[in-house]
Amino acid sequence: KAGVTQTPRYLIKTRGQQVTLSCSPISGHRSVSWYQQTPGQGLQFLFEYFSETQRNKGNFPGRFSGRQFSNSRSEMNVSTLELGDSALYLCASTPLNRGHGYTFGSGTRLTVV
Amino acid sequence: AQKITQTQPGMFVQEKEAVTLDCTYDTSDQSYGLFWYKQPSSGEMIFLIYQGSYDEQNATEGRYSLNFQKARKSANLVISASQLGDSAMYFCAMREGRLGSQGNLIFGKGTKLSVKP
Repeated sequence: KAGVTQTPRYLIKTRGQQVTLSCSPISGHRSVSWYQQTPGQGLQFLFEYFSETQRNKGNFPGRFSGRQFSNSRSEMNVSTLELGDSALYLCASTPLNRGHGYTFGSGTRLTVV
Repeated sequence: AQKITQTQPGMFVQEKEAVTLDCTYDTSDQSYGLFWYKQPSSGEMIFLIYQGSYDEQNATEGRYSLNFQKARKSANLVISASQLGDSAMYFCAMREGRLGSQGNLIFGKGTKLSVKP
């Protein structure tokens, strides 16, 4: 079965612009979570969606937002980009059964210039 | 607050030898899950092994085993017979609560493992 698909893989944006990243979870999985990875802060949780509802949110400013559609695909948006938003953004599909790991996509590498 | 600590920023191991990557965690929850992930330079996060807080036996998956010491709040990853392809970053992570509840993972800072030929 298909894994987690994130698009685009790479993105270069200018400060002040906004960006939208997409994540399609494993078929049948209803929960998606997003993480930001930077060399300085490591992997940090952004938010989690389950059945189109945000179930949990990390400690990020309001410029970071997300949503989930009825087909479980999720998007995250970052407005008014800052240089510090340059990072690898990873999306994970939550397992249905205990003992299974969260499956991550390949990530979107965002560079803000 | 929940926390994951990986005290080894980098480690070297000789090919075919075993290596242990340390992980300690802090949580006040009784129900939690512990995970290890491998991240090669390509950036993808590869799930290696899972241990539930109520699992009495240590988890094993092929060459990977998890040395779970609940009282000491440690969940060390043991890789047996290291291979050159094992060179990567390794992250320990924890999910508090039952599967199906708020499901975010808390990650450690990671350990960079280098396997020498």
